[in-house]
Amino acid sequence: EVQLVESGGGLVQPGGSLRLSCAASGFTFSTYWMTWVRQAPGEGLEWVAIIKSDGSEIYYVDSVKGRFTISRDNAKNSVHLQMNSLRAEDTAVYYCATERLQYWGQGTLVTVSS
Amino acid sequence: DIVMTQTPPSLSATPGQPASISCKSSQSLLYSDGKTYLSWYLQKPGQPPHLLIHEVSNRFSGVPERFSGSGSGTDFTLKISRVEAEDVGVYYCMQSRQVPWTFGQGTKVEIK
Repeated sequence: EVQLVESGGGLVQPGGSLRLSCAASGFTFSTYWMTWVRQAPGEGLEWVAIIKSDGSEIYYVDSVKGRFTISRDNAKNSVHLQMNSLRAEDTAVYYCATERLQYWGQGTLVTVSS
Repeated sequence: DIVMTQTPPSLSATPGQPASISCKSSQSLLYSDGKTYLSWYLQKPGQPPHLLIHEVSNRFSGVPERFSGSGSGTDFTLKISRVEAEDVGVYYCMQSRQVPWTFGQGTKVEIK
């Protein structure tokens, strides 16, 4: 059974940082691209970033470029999202998902507020 | 960026009756590999989204046959042949033809 479990969310002040993690199991993690998608409270879905199976290709939505960094550790079956210079508009539930969003985690809430 | 436009924004469906949702993209979603990268997701209340249809018309594993997708180029449709009470939630289309991947605004489906 495929499982994706996010962690690392919480309350952070504007300008602060958080590191989200996603632990994967039940599939051959090292062969899948992995993505992060977020959903602001009461809003729709926004694709955030994607990383190739070997980490050699990475893409971001413009609104997070230069502030967020996606990375992965294939030895530990995990993907991460380092979020710096956080803004109020980054407040959202962050989901990790497999490459074409076939499988999703339950999400972790990030709240940016003073 | 490719803009995805879904209609209607909301839908009140009658159990046992058909329902459909339209999704239009601002550019063709046909890729050079011959595949069209349009997918549909359902987010039930309090849950993460889950995949229903990928590449326009391919039902994902475990998705009931009452869900079907069609379309090409820039115009796509999700159809539910006979709506059931468990189909409530918000439906999203999404393009993965090019980054940034983009979603439609969502269609909220409720049951009459």
